[in-house]
Amino acid sequence: QSVLTQPPSTSGTPGQRVTISCSGSGSNIGSHSVSWYQKFPGTAPKVLMYTGSQRPSGVPDRFSGSQSGTSASLAISGLQSEDEADYYCATWDDSLSAWVFGGGTKLTV
Amino acid sequence: QLQLRESGPGLVRPSESLSLTCTVSGGSISSDTDCWDWIRQTPGEGLEWIGNVYNSGFTHYNPSLKSRVTMSVDTSKNQFSLRLTSVTAADTAMYYCARHGRGPGAVEAFDPWGQGTLVTVSS
Repeated sequence: QSVLTQPPSTSGTPGQRVTISCSGSGSNIGSHSVSWYQKFPGTAPKVLMYTGSQRPSGVPDRFSGSQSGTSASLAISGLQSEDEADYYCATWDDSLSAWVFGGGTKLTV
Repeated sequence: QLQLRESGPGLVRPSESLSLTCTVSGGSISSDTDCWDWIRQTPGEGLEWIGNVYNSGFTHYNPSLKSRVTMSVDTSKNQFSLRLTSVTAADTAMYYCARHGRGPGAVEAFDPWGQGTLVTVSS
């Protein structure tokens, strides 16, 4: 069972906006910034968001992140078929003294 | 453009040790701020952070694996390595190496990742 809780799956239609949540506790999200990763089957994860809401260069501005309290979320607007992938959140956990990941959310478009 | 590539045996026998190397190209592993991480994904499961190593040799391991993990860095080869001892079937996973950026101007996340290497523990 993952330290960070994400919904196992979500779906949307092209053009829609979807949000993926990531819930934690005071020792992780409540104290540290969250990063988000996109993973396609058979490929390595790719960072989409870091320090909560910063996008690396090359990531479309359709992706946005936010963080408040012990939760974080990733929003994808103008959903496209190529967004169909698994999405993971991650942050540092003070209690575990380790980086922790969410269980992943499978997005179906 | 920084690239990472994992290498090592794809099959390890139970109770033996797993050894993987990550070769960094397109940049130097000798950054004073970045650290170099190992992460795995077990079949059907999520991602698990194994630990990291700095170019100084300083390491930090996931407490859940600490007793079995050793990481090292070879700056002359621009490589870093993972050794996991006493493996069981539960250690069968896709193993990834990644850089974790730190400091001003850095992408403070695991970026980039290697393509991953599948390690199966079986007799």
